Amino acid sequence: ETGVTQSPTHLIKTRGQQVTLRCSSQSGHNTVSWYQQALGQGPQFIFQYYREEENGRGNFPPRFSGLQFPNYSSELNVNALELDDSALYLCASPKGYGSNQPQHFGDGTRLSIL
Amino acid sequence: LAKTTQPISMDSYEGQEVNITCSHNNIATNDYITWYQQFPSQGPRFIIQGYKTKVTNEVASLFIPADRKSSTLSLPRVSLSDTAVYYCLVGPSVSGAGSYQLTFGKGTKLSVIP
Repeated sequence: ETGVTQSPTHLIKTRGQQVTLRCSSQSGHNTVSWYQQALGQGPQFIFQYYREEENGRGNFPPRFSGLQFPNYSSELNVNALELDDSALYLCASPKGYGSNQPQHFGDGTRLSIL
Repeated sequence: LAKTTQPISMDSYEGQEVNITCSHNNIATNDYITWYQQFPSQGPRFIIQGYKTKVTNEVASLFIPADRKSSTLSLPRVSLSDTAVYYCLVGPSVSGAGSYQLTFGKGTKLSVIP
């Protein structure tokens, strides 16, 4: 039990559509990160939110956007879906405060694009 | 962030000790070494973290030589349930922008055989 919950667990969309994925952390940590994991690959960092503002981003286009709410739950939004967006999307929150903190990961949302 | 190299896959029989070695020649002074375990359709789970010498917890040991250019994750007496992908990560976790970005490679797929 990591205390990080993601919804939905599975989702099927078609090209060009938009999708919203959700994440909440029982710890109430003020930092949340999102990762994309393609089949057979390690997770790739999308971006991080700290106190409701984006403060770090990986190599992903602007159609990947996010929100963090005052209760520190978070959303990942992807517009104009492409076939390559099919992946497991993970959110993560640090176990504690300070540098080098390991991350709690949720079990992800499996997104399939048809 | 320092790059890591680890074997793509390993096989082991139940009850054996498994050692997975990761090389990280460009590790920086303030970098920690962290290992995660990931089962299919689940998020990565923190196993162990260390800076130097040896760290042991209830599930694994981590051996780090004096030059810190490699590390070895040791799993004692593996069982079928230890079949998973194991990721070695190196970094300070917190970048200059305060981002808890993790950089994953492809990991080592461990298969435990009955």
